[in-house]
Amino acid sequence: GENVEQHPSTLSVQEGDSAVIKCTYSDSASNYFPWYKQELGKRPQLIIDIRSNVGEKKDQRIAVTLNKTAKHFSLHITETQPEDSAVYFCAAAVGGNNRLAFGKGNQVVVIP
Amino acid sequence: DTAVSQTPKYLVTQMGNDKSIKCEQNLGHDTMYWYKQDSKKFLKIMFSYNNKELIINETVPNRFSPKSPDKAHLNLHINSLELGDSAVYFCASSQLTGEQFFGPGTRLTVL
Repeated sequence: GENVEQHPSTLSVQEGDSAVIKCTYSDSASNYFPWYKQELGKRPQLIIDIRSNVGEKKDQRIAVTLNKTAKHFSLHITETQPEDSAVYFCAAAVGGNNRLAFGKGNQVVVIP
Repeated sequence: DTAVSQTPKYLVTQMGNDKSIKCEQNLGHDTMYWYKQDSKKFLKIMFSYNNKELIINETVPNRFSPKSPDKAHLNLHINSLELGDSAVYFCASSQLTGEQFFGPGTRLTVL
């Protein structure tokens, strides 16, 4: 299968707290896992990605971890700010890695 | 200096009409995509072209017909529009297995 499951569907956090979104995937051949952020009325934009040869990647307040054995990967946002409020999509390269399967999205709300 | 552009941004039309959405990318990518995002925000892939050749064709009604005149352009033509076609349509491009860059989206409303 080529499913990507994402949870929770909605996450509210206090400003300054951390947010974690988890995704699982089913295609064991997947080797590329991007995360996209979509603000209201805007296009999805890549915020961080990870390939299967590493277990963790960090970029300032954002980090992604990958567990290939368990087939799950997570997005971690630390010190959340109001501008982090958006829908976040995880994805996994599937079908011989020639396309992305997206999760259903997670609405993150940062409460000032 | 837009990387992926789409026209029009908004499209309001009556049921039964035929309409087209155009997409262009200036990133030199080989692969282009069309996605449909419904009111629940699900991003569903519809088509993908690699070097003008169709490589992905998901379960999409044959009223939808993509056309790629060259690898920088991927247009989407929709015949006999239905209410359920109302959504935001995103074009995207990438090098195969790389980051996908999305266009600004076309909000289609069928009345």
